[in-house]
Amino acid sequence: SQQGEEDPQALSIQEGENATMNCSYKTSINNLQWYRQNSGRGLVHLILIRSNEREKHSGRLRVTLDTSKKSSSLLITASRAADTASYFCATDLWETSGSRLTFGEGTQLTVNP
Amino acid sequence: KAGVTQTPRYLIKTRGQQVTLSCSPISGHRSVSWYQQTPGQGLQFLFEYFSETQRNKGNFPGRFSGRQFSNSRSEMNVSTLELGDSALYLCASSLFGTGGPYEQYFGPGTRLTVT
Repeated sequence: SQQGEEDPQALSIQEGENATMNCSYKTSINNLQWYRQNSGRGLVHLILIRSNEREKHSGRLRVTLDTSKKSSSLLITASRAADTASYFCATDLWETSGSRLTFGEGTQLTVNP
Repeated sequence: KAGVTQTPRYLIKTRGQQVTLSCSPISGHRSVSWYQQTPGQGLQFLFEYFSETQRNKGNFPGRFSGRQFSNSRSEMNVSTLELGDSALYLCASSLFGTGGPYEQYFGPGTRLTVT
């Protein structure tokens, strides 16, 4: 079963606009990661944020994490048509015994040129 | 560095058959994980291997098995295939050490169709 729920399930915006996707999860985590997937292909890692971090940036991406609300958001600024993809959040209970990602259902982002 | 490679990329099998999928991790990565992606269930964790040992296992029946070789390459086997096993099977590799956690790097996947 999926731990996370993502909101919205689908998002359509114009090029240049910002896109915000939200993710909620149910249990305590060690870290949360965001991935992008283009049309049924492999996943591309975007950002990893640890449970003791509140915000992280990478280029046009900004991720926030609120462990008290068990939620995270991904903001893509100045979107481009090439950002069209499915975006997944994944929680990780990483311990010395290894990693095991639990994925949300994903948000399908469409950026119209 | 070369990315994670998976072979074959596409596979069509018949119910009752078995299948073996292969994954070569990024050089230097010792952890390999497998995930199944279907439209109905989404992305689900199958298992993770490190130094030839299975460390974590998801909630899949015993028909799903795997192994890892000394060079970190991994194989996944599904026996007695069912229609519901049709999916995109993704392999991911990761560094692993005391300084973790580490992001996972995914391969392009193997698209398995069971008829």
